[in-house]
Amino acid sequence: DVKVTQSSRYLVKRTGEKVFLECVQDMDHENMFWYRQDPGLGLRLIYFSYDVKMKEKGDIPEGYSVSREKKERFSLILESASTNQTSMYLCASSSLAGYNEQFFGPGTRLTVL
Amino acid sequence: AQSVAQPEDQVNVAEGNPLTVKCTYSVSGNPYLFWYVQYPNRGLQFLLKYITGDNLVKGSYGFEAEFNKSQTSFHLKKPSALVSDSALYFCAVRDALTGGGNKLTFGTGTQLKVEL
Repeated sequence: DVKVTQSSRYLVKRTGEKVFLECVQDMDHENMFWYRQDPGLGLRLIYFSYDVKMKEKGDIPEGYSVSREKKERFSLILESASTNQTSMYLCASSSLAGYNEQFFGPGTRLTVL
Repeated sequence: AQSVAQPEDQVNVAEGNPLTVKCTYSVSGNPYLFWYVQYPNRGLQFLLKYITGDNLVKGSYGFEAEFNKSQTSFHLKKPSALVSDSALYFCAVRDALTGGGNKLTFGTGTQLKVEL
């Protein structure tokens, strides 16, 4: 079974802090994704990566950056956390073929105070 | 551009009755369509997908979905609902003509509530 793990289930940070969310997948997938989920808005793509050191902006990249130094690991960075970044963050991975489904991690619920 | 709409925020159904969760999409080319389910405080779980071929797709937990190209719809169905089906359901689409990255566009989700 594909397994996608995220470093924390719940996280509380203060405004202005630098926040790292980490995601690891064990299926040698090329693609990795970071989404945020907010009630009534569904899932919105923040960044994705289709190869090591490659990244592309999604729909809402402002205030975020990412890092992919190894194929299995994709990190989301909030350079200076703000209260409007309080959300559920979901990581996903998939193989290259466009018809393949994405596999999701359990999510990190981030609260910025 | 690709987009997907889930017109109902919530669907209520009695246990044992059939259920339908609606999804419509818009793509330039041919669609790849997906349904996911999310239980409280969990990530999304894949249910089923349509790529090509038979318009009726069967998936996990007794769910199925019907692809209708003329109506650009991909409704999720189950013949007999269970209380344990209560969850948040997401439809997603990818345009088969788009480039790399396997980028999906998700709907806003439909909360399914199955009552005794």
